[in-house]
Amino acid sequence: DIQMTQSPSSLSASVGDRVSISCRASQTISRFLNWYHQKPGKAPKLLIYAASSLQNGVPSRFSGSGSGTDFTLTITNLQPEDFATYYCQQSHSAPFTFGQGTNLEIK
Amino acid sequence: EVQLVESGGGLVKPGGSLRLSCAASGFTFSSYTMNWVRQAPGKGLEWVSSISSTSDYIHYADSVKGRCTISRDNTENSLFLQMNSLRAEDTAVYYCVRDVVFAYWGQGTLVTVSS
Repeated sequence: DIQMTQSPSSLSASVGDRVSISCRASQTISRFLNWYHQKPGKAPKLLIYAASSLQNGVPSRFSGSGSGTDFTLTITNLQPEDFATYYCQQSHSAPFTFGQGTNLEIK
Repeated sequence: EVQLVESGGGLVKPGGSLRLSCAASGFTFSSYTMNWVRQAPGKGLEWVSSISSTSDYIHYADSVKGRCTISRDNTENSLFLQMNSLRAEDTAVYYCVRDVVFAYWGQGTLVTVSS
């Protein structure tokens, strides 16, 4: 099974900041990597698919990069609605594992 | 509009069984792989199971293998998860999710396993 490791597990930032979250796969997954965020009590929302493609309706301040085993989600000009928990997920092969999550908090 | 509506959650005793259902609409259900993903209270997301469009390929997380059975009815646009021998650690919100890139999620149904 492919293990996904996110870092950091938590992050404090201010509105207007630029932040990055890393995700590492235990084996190569090409670009089969997706990013989600989730707010309390809500279903997760897809932000980025195929490592760097922006899902329809997602603001352009979100971007993704990477391939193989190392991936990054970057958020520029943080907005109040961006404070949430972020997850990476590999869609290369079942089981379609998630990272453990990164909690992005307001500083 | 894509809609996924789960049902069947509730309180069950350890060792008991539940059958979750997901009613799909707004897309050609028979064309998509479907999944169950769960989230224990205060914890992260855990993929549980997937079933291909024609039910040819089925996968389970190790944590539920042998205790859960995923199935679908393409004539009724419905996805199911039969859960047996339930444990306290199965307590979670269970989401029905379309495709292997999880763009569409249901609202979730809560399963609580407790005596």
